[in-house]
Amino acid sequence: KAGVTQTPRYLIKTRGQQVTLSCSPISGHRSVSWYQQTPGQGLQFLFEYFSETQRNKGNFPGRFSGRQFSNSRSEMNVSTLELGDSALYLCASSPLQVNTEAFFGQGTRLTVV
Amino acid sequence: AQSVTQLGSHVSVSEGALVLLRCNYSSSVPPYLFWYVQYPNQGLQLLLKYTSAATLVKGINGFEAEFKKSETSFHLTKPSAHMSDAAEYFCAVSPLGFGNEKLTFGTGTRLTIIP
Repeated sequence: KAGVTQTPRYLIKTRGQQVTLSCSPISGHRSVSWYQQTPGQGLQFLFEYFSETQRNKGNFPGRFSGRQFSNSRSEMNVSTLELGDSALYLCASSPLQVNTEAFFGQGTRLTVV
Repeated sequence: AQSVTQLGSHVSVSEGALVLLRCNYSSSVPPYLFWYVQYPNQGLQLLLKYTSAATLVKGINGFEAEFKKSETSFHLTKPSAHMSDAAEYFCAVSPLGFGNEKLTFGTGTRLTIIP
């Protein structure tokens, strides 16, 4: 069974640009969550989608957005990039809800210059 | 809001020695609790989880954790450390039930194994 796939693995963007990250969950999983990991703030929850609906959102500015498609694949978008957005972005896939079990992808390392 | 505190951002143990990584949670109701491991440039791998069944939880790679409600703790242990255990370990908490499906992580503990 294939795991959670995140693409791309590495990304370099310039301040002010926007970026889209992709996450393909484990087959059959309907919940996808996104987390940001930085040395200073640690792992922080961005948002969670279930059956194309955002169920939960963390404390991030509106520049951070996401969506989920009918096949459960998810994308997150960051507009008007800032240097502080440099981070490892992790996607987690769960059958129904994350508080039973979450499987993480390898992450996308975003560097903003 | 629920939270977890991991005591010790860095822990070093000798190969073959006991590994003990500490995690305390704050919640009026026992939540779901998890331990994840992260190797360099990798995502998070689930080691074990507590979901209100047995209080002693066995996980992968010889790790186990004991849920102690009276101490609000969920410490991770392994009887004998191996070089391959060197990684960063995260304790996480999630509330029971529907409506707030997210993991709240501790700040992590970097485990170093001394040959």
